[in-house]
Amino acid sequence: QKEVEQNSGPLSVPEGAIASLNCTYSDRGSQSFFWYRQYSGKSPELIMSIYSNGDKEDGRFTAQLNKASQYVSLLIRDSQPSDSATYLCAVKAEAGSYQLTFGKGTKLSVIP
Amino acid sequence: EPEVTQTPSHQVTQMGQEVILRCVPISNHLYFYWYRQILGQKVEFLVSFYNNEISEKSEIFDDQFSVERPDGSNFTLKIRSTKLEDSAMYFCASSDRLAGAAEQYFGPGTRLTVT
Repeated sequence: QKEVEQNSGPLSVPEGAIASLNCTYSDRGSQSFFWYRQYSGKSPELIMSIYSNGDKEDGRFTAQLNKASQYVSLLIRDSQPSDSATYLCAVKAEAGSYQLTFGKGTKLSVIP
Repeated sequence: EPEVTQTPSHQVTQMGQEVILRCVPISNHLYFYWYRQILGQKVEFLVSFYNNEISEKSEIFDDQFSVERPDGSNFTLKIRSTKLEDSAMYFCASSDRLAGAAEQYFGPGTRLTVT
């Protein structure tokens, strides 16, 4: 059974601070990793993808991957109230697999 | 910017009835997916579709479910005889490739309510 684990939160950070979201996964053969943002009642919106160890930056977002530790994280710099949402970690298994396995998500609240 | 569209946004049906949920994937994408999310729970994979056939399906996707690409743009999910536990948000997604960071883009979803 492939598992993706996230702290459910809520994670509260003040506006302008760095929000740090974490995710671990059980399948060591996993290839690709994604962060989605989901506002209440809405669909998942892709923020970042990463498939090599290390950091990947896109604007205020940085994804970090450590395959040896089976750990993925998302940093949000200069957090804004509009970043308040649930952040979903999703993992794609071995090459040739199509499905994403999602974590339950971490609810982030950015306090003005 | 191209996006996945889904209709209807909300479908209410009675237990035992058939429903068809419709999706228009992003036009140059080749891989199509259905996921569902029961209220308060994880997003769960149902099925993937490539080259006019199912490429992968989950245990949830039993004989009550079917998918079809009836023409060059639409992708549908049919539930033959709905149950109360089928009530959920159903998301269609598409991607342009399978290998590497094959990013899947989600549509806005159809909220299915079975009464």
